[in-house]
Amino acid sequence: GAGVSQTPSNKVTEKGKYVELRCDPISGHTALYWYRQSLGQGPEFLIYFQGTGAADDSGLPNDRFFAVRPEGSVSTLKIQRTERGDSAVYLCASSLGWGEGYTFGSGTRLTVV
Amino acid sequence: QKEVEQNSGPLSVPEGAIASLNCTYSDRGSQSFFWYRQYSGKSPELIMFIYSNGDKEDGRFTAQLNKASQYVSLLIRDSQPSDSATYLCAVNIFSGNTPLVFGKGTRLSVIA
Repeated sequence: GAGVSQTPSNKVTEKGKYVELRCDPISGHTALYWYRQSLGQGPEFLIYFQGTGAADDSGLPNDRFFAVRPEGSVSTLKIQRTERGDSAVYLCASSLGWGEGYTFGSGTRLTVV
Repeated sequence: QKEVEQNSGPLSVPEGAIASLNCTYSDRGSQSFFWYRQYSGKSPELIMFIYSNGDKEDGRFTAQLNKASQYVSLLIRDSQPSDSATYLCAVNIFSGNTPLVFGKGTRLSVIA
Protein backbone atom coordinates (compact mmCIF):
# COMPACT_ATOMS: atom_id res chain seq x y z
CA GLY A 1 0.00 0.00 0.00
CA ALA A 2 0.93 3.67 -0.13
CA GLY A 3 1.61 3.91 3.57
CA VAL A 4 1.54 1.93 6.79
CA SER A 5 -2.04 1.17 7.76
CA GLN A 6 -3.12 0.47 11.32
CA THR A 7 -6.50 -0.68 12.50
CA PRO A 8 -8.44 0.15 14.51
CA SER A 9 -7.53 3.80 15.00
CA ASN A 10 -9.14 3.77 18.42
CA LYS A 11 -9.94 0.90 20.74
CA VAL A 12 -11.65 1.11 24.12
CA THR A 13 -11.70 -2.11 26.09
CA GLU A 14 -12.47 -3.23 29.59
CA LYS A 15 -9.77 -4.32 31.98
CA GLY A 16 -9.09 -8.02 31.61
CA LYS A 17 -10.23 -8.27 27.99
CA TYR A 18 -8.18 -9.43 25.00
CA VAL A 19 -7.35 -7.08 22.12
CA GLU A 20 -5.73 -7.39 18.72
CA LEU A 21 -4.13 -4.51 16.87
CA ARG A 22 -3.36 -4.84 13.19
CA CYS A 23 -0.60 -3.35 11.06
CA ASP A 24 -0.32 -3.50 7.28
CA PRO A 25 3.15 -2.26 6.25
CA ILE A 26 4.30 -0.64 3.04
CA SER A 27 4.48 -3.23 0.29
CA GLY A 28 8.01 -4.60 -0.02
CA HIS A 29 9.16 -3.45 3.40
CA THR A 30 10.72 -6.46 5.07
CA ALA A 31 11.24 -4.91 8.50
CA LEU A 32 8.27 -4.18 10.75
CA TYR A 33 8.37 -2.59 14.20
CA TRP A 34 5.89 -2.12 17.01
CA TYR A 35 6.31 0.74 19.45
CA ARG A 36 4.01 2.26 22.04
CA GLN A 37 3.90 5.86 23.08
CA SER A 38 2.50 7.39 26.23
CA LEU A 39 1.71 11.06 26.58
CA GLY A 40 4.83 13.19 26.78
CA GLN A 41 7.14 10.28 26.04
CA GLY A 42 9.01 9.10 23.00
CA PRO A 43 8.07 5.85 21.26
CA GLU A 44 9.08 2.82 23.32
CA PHE A 45 10.21 -0.24 21.39
CA LEU A 46 8.19 -3.44 21.73
CA ILE A 47 9.13 -5.92 18.98
CA TYR A 48 10.78 -6.04 15.56
CA PHE A 49 10.18 -8.47 12.69
CA GLN A 50 12.51 -9.18 9.81
CA GLY A 51 10.33 -11.14 7.42
CA THR A 52 8.16 -13.60 9.32
CA GLY A 53 10.35 -14.01 12.35
CA ALA A 54 10.62 -11.85 15.43
CA ALA A 55 14.22 -10.61 15.29
CA ASP A 56 13.99 -8.82 18.63
CA ASP A 57 11.14 -9.04 21.15
CA SER A 58 13.09 -7.65 24.08
CA GLY A 59 10.74 -4.69 24.46
CA LEU A 60 7.61 -6.69 25.16
CA PRO A 61 6.79 -5.79 28.78
CA ASN A 62 5.51 -9.20 29.85
CA ASP A 63 3.98 -12.42 28.55
CA ARG A 64 0.56 -10.81 28.10
CA PHE A 65 1.95 -9.24 24.93
CA PHE A 66 2.52 -11.25 21.79
CA ALA A 67 2.90 -10.38 18.10
CA VAL A 68 2.87 -12.37 14.88
CA ARG A 69 3.65 -11.77 11.24
CA PRO A 70 2.83 -15.13 9.65
CA GLU A 71 3.31 -14.27 5.98
CA GLY A 72 5.92 -11.57 6.31
CA SER A 73 3.49 -8.74 5.62
CA VAL A 74 0.58 -7.95 7.96
CA SER A 75 1.35 -8.10 11.66
CA THR A 76 -0.96 -8.43 14.66
CA LEU A 77 -0.10 -7.31 18.18
CA LYS A 78 -2.08 -9.26 20.75
CA ILE A 79 -2.59 -8.21 24.35
CA GLN A 80 -4.20 -10.59 26.83
CA ARG A 81 -5.82 -9.65 30.14
CA THR A 82 -5.47 -5.95 29.45
CA GLU A 83 -4.61 -3.61 32.30
CA ARG A 84 -5.18 0.12 32.64
CA GLY A 85 -1.41 0.64 32.35
CA ASP A 86 -1.56 -0.74 28.82
CA SER A 87 -3.38 2.40 27.70
CA ALA A 88 -1.20 4.16 25.11
CA VAL A 89 -0.87 4.80 21.41
CA TYR A 90 0.51 1.71 19.69
CA LEU A 91 2.59 2.62 16.67
CA CYS A 92 3.63 0.34 13.86
CA ALA A 93 6.45 1.23 11.46
CA SER A 94 8.07 -0.45 8.50
CA SER A 95 11.32 -0.01 6.61
CA LEU A 96 13.17 -1.54 3.70
CA GLY A 97 15.63 -3.05 6.10
CA TRP A 98 17.37 -2.64 9.37
CA GLY A 99 19.22 0.66 9.53
CA GLU A 100 16.83 2.45 7.20
CA GLY A 101 14.50 5.22 8.30
CA TYR A 102 11.06 4.10 9.39
CA THR A 103 7.64 5.06 8.07
CA PHE A 104 5.07 5.07 10.85
CA GLY A 105 1.40 4.30 10.66
CA SER A 106 -1.13 6.61 12.24
CA GLY A 107 -1.30 4.45 15.36
CA THR A 108 -3.97 2.76 17.44
CA ARG A 109 -5.04 4.57 20.57
CA LEU A 110 -5.81 1.90 23.15
CA THR A 111 -7.78 2.86 26.23
CA VAL A 112 -8.35 0.28 28.95
CA VAL A 113 -11.16 1.23 31.32
CA GLN B 1 22.08 0.93 28.84
CA LYS B 2 21.18 2.56 25.54
CA GLU B 3 19.78 6.02 26.15
CA VAL B 4 18.92 9.03 24.08
CA GLU B 5 18.53 12.30 25.92
CA GLN B 6 16.69 15.41 24.81
CA ASN B 7 15.58 18.53 26.61
CA SER B 8 11.79 18.26 26.74
CA GLY B 9 11.32 22.01 26.30
CA PRO B 10 9.24 23.82 25.38
CA LEU B 11 11.68 25.67 23.19
CA SER B 12 10.16 28.93 22.03
CA VAL B 13 11.61 30.88 19.11
CA PRO B 14 10.24 33.84 17.14
CA GLU B 15 9.18 33.34 13.55
CA GLY B 16 12.16 33.63 11.20
CA ALA B 17 14.73 32.69 13.82
CA ILE B 18 16.94 29.60 13.93
CA ALA B 19 15.72 26.81 16.18
CA SER B 20 18.42 24.55 17.61
CA LEU B 21 17.42 21.14 18.92
CA ASN B 22 19.94 18.96 20.70
CA CYS B 23 20.33 15.28 21.48
CA THR B 24 22.96 13.22 23.28
CA TYR B 25 23.30 9.46 23.26
CA SER B 26 25.04 7.07 25.57
CA ASP B 27 26.16 4.22 23.31
CA ARG B 28 29.45 5.00 21.61
CA GLY B 29 28.74 2.26 19.04
CA SER B 30 25.77 4.16 17.61
CA GLN B 31 26.08 4.56 13.88
CA SER B 32 23.00 6.22 12.43
CA PHE B 33 20.89 9.05 13.70
CA PHE B 34 17.42 10.19 12.78
CA TRP B 35 15.23 13.20 13.42
CA TYR B 36 11.47 12.81 13.40
CA ARG B 37 8.80 15.50 13.69
CA GLN B 38 5.56 14.71 15.50
CA TYR B 39 2.57 17.02 15.45
CA SER B 40 0.15 16.77 18.33
CA GLY B 41 -2.08 13.72 17.93
CA LYS B 42 -0.18 12.49 14.88
CA SER B 43 2.50 9.87 14.32
CA PRO B 44 6.21 10.65 13.85
CA GLU B 45 7.43 11.54 10.38
CA LEU B 46 11.04 11.30 9.26
CA ILE B 47 12.77 14.62 8.60
CA MET B 48 16.41 13.73 8.24
CA PHE B 49 19.03 11.11 8.92
CA ILE B 50 22.78 11.41 9.29
CA TYR B 51 25.51 8.79 9.47
CA SER B 52 28.80 10.70 9.23
CA ASN B 53 30.39 13.36 11.38
CA GLY B 54 29.70 16.90 10.22
CA ASP B 55 26.72 18.68 8.77
CA LYS B 56 23.99 17.52 6.43
CA GLU B 57 21.63 20.08 4.93
CA ASP B 58 18.16 19.60 3.45
CA GLY B 59 16.26 22.77 2.71
CA ARG B 60 15.75 24.70 5.94
CA PHE B 61 16.97 21.76 8.03
CA THR B 62 20.57 20.96 8.97
CA ALA B 63 21.57 17.91 10.99
CA GLN B 64 24.91 18.00 12.79
CA LEU B 65 26.73 14.99 14.18
CA ASN B 66 29.72 14.79 16.50
CA LYS B 67 30.43 11.17 17.36
CA ALA B 68 33.36 12.03 19.63
CA SER B 69 31.04 14.09 21.82
CA GLN B 70 28.09 11.71 21.26
CA TYR B 71 25.99 14.66 20.20
CA VAL B 72 23.58 15.23 17.35
CA SER B 73 21.58 18.35 16.65
CA LEU B 74 18.95 19.69 14.29
CA LEU B 75 18.89 23.29 13.15
CA ILE B 76 15.78 24.78 11.59
CA ARG B 77 16.43 28.01 9.72
CA ASP B 78 13.74 30.64 9.10
CA SER B 79 11.43 28.93 11.59
CA GLN B 80 7.74 29.03 10.76
CA PRO B 81 4.70 28.57 13.01
CA SER B 82 4.04 25.35 11.06
CA ASP B 83 7.32 23.99 12.47
CA SER B 84 5.73 23.95 15.93
CA ALA B 85 5.79 20.29 16.91
CA THR B 86 7.71 17.78 19.00
CA TYR B 87 11.04 16.73 17.51
CA LEU B 88 12.23 13.22 18.29
CA CYS B 89 15.84 12.13 18.09
CA ALA B 90 16.39 8.43 17.36
CA VAL B 91 19.56 6.36 17.33
CA ASN B 92 20.38 3.03 15.67
CA ILE B 93 23.31 0.74 16.45
CA PHE B 94 24.77 -1.30 13.59
CA SER B 95 26.51 -3.68 15.90
CA GLY B 96 23.44 -5.79 16.29
CA ASN B 97 19.80 -6.08 15.35
CA THR B 98 18.74 -3.28 17.62
CA PRO B 99 15.85 -1.08 16.52
CA LEU B 100 15.74 2.68 16.84
CA VAL B 101 15.91 4.06 20.35
CA PHE B 102 13.96 7.30 20.67
CA GLY B 103 14.42 10.23 22.99
CA LYS B 104 11.45 11.79 24.74
CA GLY B 105 11.39 14.62 22.24
CA THR B 106 11.71 18.40 22.42
CA ARG B 107 8.59 20.50 22.00
CA LEU B 108 9.21 23.46 19.71
CA SER B 109 6.94 26.47 19.61
CA VAL B 110 7.47 29.07 16.88
CA ILE B 111 5.83 32.34 17.82
CA ALA B 112 4.41 34.47 14.99
